[in-house]
Amino acid sequence: DAGVIQSPRHEVTEMGQEVTLRCKPISGHNSLFWYRQTMMRGLELLIYFNNNVPIDDSGMPEDRFSAKMPNASFSTLKIQPSEPRDSAVYFCASSPGEGVRTNEKLFFGSGTQLSVL
Amino acid sequence: DAKTTQPNSMESNEEEPVHLPCNHSTISGTDYIHWYRQLPSQGPEYVIHGLTSNVNNRMASLAIAEDRKSSTLILHRATLRDAAVYYCILRYNTGGFKTIFGAGTRLFVKA
Repeated sequence: DAGVIQSPRHEVTEMGQEVTLRCKPISGHNSLFWYRQTMMRGLELLIYFNNNVPIDDSGMPEDRFSAKMPNASFSTLKIQPSEPRDSAVYFCASSPGEGVRTNEKLFFGSGTQLSVL
Repeated sequence: DAKTTQPNSMESNEEEPVHLPCNHSTISGTDYIHWYRQLPSQGPEYVIHGLTSNVNNRMASLAIAEDRKSSTLILHRATLRDAAVYYCILRYNTGGFKTIFGAGTRLFVKA
């Protein structure tokens, strides 16, 4: 089992550029989560999908952020245009079953370290 | 949102037990208590979870207070590899699924 795979591992870009982060969940998992981690705010849930459908995007900071899950094995988080305050580590996590059962585990990827200059 | 409170940091000696406390006074009846830990430069990893009864697995034990307003993660013999940030979180569903991470407890393990 390869676990949750995120790419790229590191991304450095300039302010105003578009950034796309990618995630491949564990095969068979039905729920996918995007988190952002900063020193100031800790781990924040941005959005989660269940069976490829966005369920709750209330954590998405603003319209510059968008997330898609075109199929069960792939999701993207896009920032356009990027700003220096978007610099953070972005984690993707997946969960088996329906994901909304509160006793399920989350499996996290290794994260993408984003630096916007 | 249901919240948890943990000490910012704790220190332990290697091969000694560690008790990491967590307060969750606003917990409701269907909220599960989960613990995750985050090693340096890695994503959080699952440690253990429970609802009402104490739980044991190969990584740790979880002791849950009778009123469920607090819990304790127990590492029976701390090793240097256990140095990490430990998060106590509540998972609940209020029409939308939520998992809210707090600041966690940074555990230092001394050789």
